[in-house]
Amino acid sequence: GAGVSQSPSNKVTEKGKDVELRCDPISGHTALYWYRQRLGQGLEFLIYFQGNSAPDKSGLPSDRFSAERTGESVSTLTIQRTQQEDSAVYLCASSSVPGQDLYGYTFGSGTRLTVV
Amino acid sequence: GESVGLHLPTLSVQEGDNSIINCAYSNSASDYFIWYKQESGKGPQFIIDIRSNMDKRQGQRVTVLLNKTVKHLSLQIAATQPGDSAVYFCAENMAGGGNKLTFGTGTQLKVEL
Repeated sequence: GAGVSQSPSNKVTEKGKDVELRCDPISGHTALYWYRQRLGQGLEFLIYFQGNSAPDKSGLPSDRFSAERTGESVSTLTIQRTQQEDSAVYLCASSSVPGQDLYGYTFGSGTRLTVV
Repeated sequence: GESVGLHLPTLSVQEGDNSIINCAYSNSASDYFIWYKQESGKGPQFIIDIRSNMDKRQGQRVTVLLNKTVKHLSLQIAATQPGDSAVYFCAENMAGGGNKLTFGTGTQLKVEL
């Protein structure tokens, strides 16, 4: 597609439920990133994919968070047993070859997750 | 740990004036810096970037200055317009960091008519 697409755009869930957030990167972008943005704050790195592999998962806050990528395309971020502190906007970005042209680092509009 | 931070959380300017948004970084290994603009309900949008071997770079109405001596980055917006109202973030990338970006907290720019 023309840009990075994320779904759903908004998600309200009850505490303790599992949620799945989806990211469709720009076609041909080999690198994919997930970030979290709490209200009024900057972006926190969560995980980075190169192809279908995740060489850097250092930002995942707990074992309740996991992510996968298939077909070097779509990625899903899963949060199990959601807590209120998980409420945030989850942003996905994709880029072309890592180390080259960070200008191609494009963000989606995010999924606003609210845990009640 | 090392991080990127901003001096001013909110900046109000008159339409037509120049805006300067500042950023302090502490990771001396960072070699690439980007300024992003984020409007309400949208993802960050690339504005301008600069590599550590440069101290100034100009775009259309925007200029980024890098002072490695004091680890300071600034974004200058000339003739600020109402459409410039947004939150601005600086971000840094560390060499060999796999394109992972570390973001600052952000500055809210408000343009008054």
